Amino acid sequence: NAGVTQTPKFRILKIGQSMTLQCTQDMNHNYMYWYRQDPGMGLKLIYYSVGAGITDKGEVPNGYNVSRSTTEDFPLRLELAAPSQTSVYFCAATQVNYGYTFGSGTRLTVV
Amino acid sequence: QKEVEQNSGPLSVPEGAIASLNCTYSDRGSQSFFWYRQYSGKSPELIMSIYSNGDKEDGRFTAQLNKASQYVSLLIRDSQPSDSATYLCAVNENKAAGNKLTFGGGTRVLVKP
Repeated sequence: NAGVTQTPKFRILKIGQSMTLQCTQDMNHNYMYWYRQDPGMGLKLIYYSVGAGITDKGEVPNGYNVSRSTTEDFPLRLELAAPSQTSVYFCAATQVNYGYTFGSGTRLTVV
Repeated sequence: QKEVEQNSGPLSVPEGAIASLNCTYSDRGSQSFFWYRQYSGKSPELIMSIYSNGDKEDGRFTAQLNKASQYVSLLIRDSQPSDSATYLCAVNENKAAGNKLTFGGGTRVLVKP
């Protein structure tokens, strides 16, 4: 049981480039989330999904996009990367009213 | 804007002492409350959940919830150097709102031998 798996672990992007952060879970949880964490700060919600085919914006969605075609996968797309998107990105999954299980994170630097 | 507030610390405690962490939240409709521990460079891991007023104990950890005063706290008894980490308080709105968690900024705890 791997839980929540994120790839890549590290990435350096140039300004204006695009990339997809991958997230997959093997727990059959309906709810999935993408958070970002800036140095010394808490986590901010980017996007979330309550099930396959359903996604919604969180607190800081600008510059990102998501899709949820299966229960297992919830990729996060960055278009036209900007230095403000330098952060650590965490994917999480849960069932209702339980705490989240987090992936190991993706550390992204935009230069 | 729903808010969750924590003292950023660092909270320095001697080994064997009790560490007391506090968290306040703004949304009176919040239903579930969680404490996560995050080591430097790692992802958050769930250590406690609490859903009703009062105390909940799990090993050396005790979570306390007071919905009327809108605060939740975490006590770490017999603190060990391995408890040195950032502790994140998280509050769940409700399942109808997507089961979303709002996180506080975290309290950094340093346990000194």
